[in-house]
Amino acid sequence: KAGVTQTPRYLIKTRGQQVTLSCSPISGHRSVSWYQQTPGQGLQFLFEYFSETQRNKGNFPGRFSGRQFSNSRSEMNVSTLELGDSALYLCASSLDGTSSYNSPLHFGNGTRLTVT
Amino acid sequence: AQSVAQPEDQVNVAEGNPLTVKCTYSVSGNPYLFWYVQYPNRGLQFLLKYITGDNLVKGSYGFEAEFNKSQTSFHLKKPSALVSDSALYFCAVRVLIYNQGGKLIFGQGTELSVKP
Repeated sequence: KAGVTQTPRYLIKTRGQQVTLSCSPISGHRSVSWYQQTPGQGLQFLFEYFSETQRNKGNFPGRFSGRQFSNSRSEMNVSTLELGDSALYLCASSLDGTSSYNSPLHFGNGTRLTVT
Repeated sequence: AQSVAQPEDQVNVAEGNPLTVKCTYSVSGNPYLFWYVQYPNRGLQFLLKYITGDNLVKGSYGFEAEFNKSQTSFHLKKPSALVSDSALYFCAVRVLIYNQGGKLIFGQGTELSVKP
């Protein structure tokens, strides 16, 4: 089975721009979660989508949004970029979502976003 | 508040020696605990999980973890370390939010360095 695929791997944007990141989950997985990883804050939960519905949201401003399509692929959008948004953005898929303890998260390799 | 702590930023061991990476947790209710490993420029890879049952959990690549309820700990162990085990290790606890699914709360990570 192919793993979780995130595109692009690297992005450089300037402040004020917006960006869209893409995530294709493992085939058959219905849940997609997004995490932000920075050296200072570590891994922070952004949101989880399950069957096209946002199930849970972390403590991030409204500039961070996402969606999930009927084929379970997910996109994450960040508007009005700030320097502090520079991070590795990780997508993870699971069969039944994080409410099911039998479904560990499987992570993609991430998108490295640099905001200048 | 529910949290995970990894008290050591870095652990250094010699190849062939046993290794331990420490993790303590604070959750309400039953803990569902996970270990992940991250290699440079990669996403997180699932190593093992504790849901219920035996306190010693076996996982991938020869790793195991010991759950200790009284000490609220979930330390990662390996009897004989390999240079290729050098990576960043994350402990995580699953947190459920009523009617909203769940999320993983991660520790800050421990950098494991195995020297030949």
